[in-house]
Amino acid sequence: QKEVEQNSGPLSVPEGAIASLNCTYSDRGSQSFFWYRQYSGKSPELIMFIYSNGDKEDGRFTAQLNKASQYVSLLIRDSQPSDSATYLCAVNDNAGNMLTFGGGTRLMVKP
Amino acid sequence: GAVVSQHPSRVICKSGTSVKIECRSLDFQATTMFWYRQFPKQSLMLMATSNEGSKATYEQGVEKDKFLINHASLTLSTLTVTSAHPEDSSFYICSGTLEETQYFGPGTRLLVL
Repeated sequence: QKEVEQNSGPLSVPEGAIASLNCTYSDRGSQSFFWYRQYSGKSPELIMFIYSNGDKEDGRFTAQLNKASQYVSLLIRDSQPSDSATYLCAVNDNAGNMLTFGGGTRLMVKP
Repeated sequence: GAVVSQHPSRVICKSGTSVKIECRSLDFQATTMFWYRQFPKQSLMLMATSNEGSKATYEQGVEKDKFLINHASLTLSTLTVTSAHPEDSSFYICSGTLEETQYFGPGTRLLVL
């Protein structure tokens, strides 16, 4: 059973702070890793993906991957109230493009 | 790029009727599409994997005769909820795959009275 674990939160950070969202996965064969953002009542939207160990930056977002520790994280710099949402970590083993999702972490950015 | 649409966005129906939901990839061809269901305050639950030109693969516990999936072209997959009941009320979301990345449609909110 492939598992992806996230702290459900809520994670509360003040506006302007760095929000750090963490995710662990059980399948060592996992190849690609995705972060999605889901606002309440809406469908998930892709924030970014990462395939290689290390950091990948896109604007205020940085994804970090450590395959040895089976750990992937998302950092959000200069957090804004509009970043308040549930963040879903998803892992793809590249065998059919199926994603295994974590339960999501609810982020609250307070003005 | 990688836009997925769903229609309708919201539907209310009487118990016992069937409802069809369309999922379209607008600017790419999606060999594989996925159908998810999400109940309030719960995680996404994968219902089935839909491959163009072949039968869908259903997850354990999902009744294939109740949730009919057709993937007739590389840009269209449909989900039909047959003989819908109130417990089928949920948020149904599809996704299309492009270069190993899933892009989600906006979802269809189904309410069965």
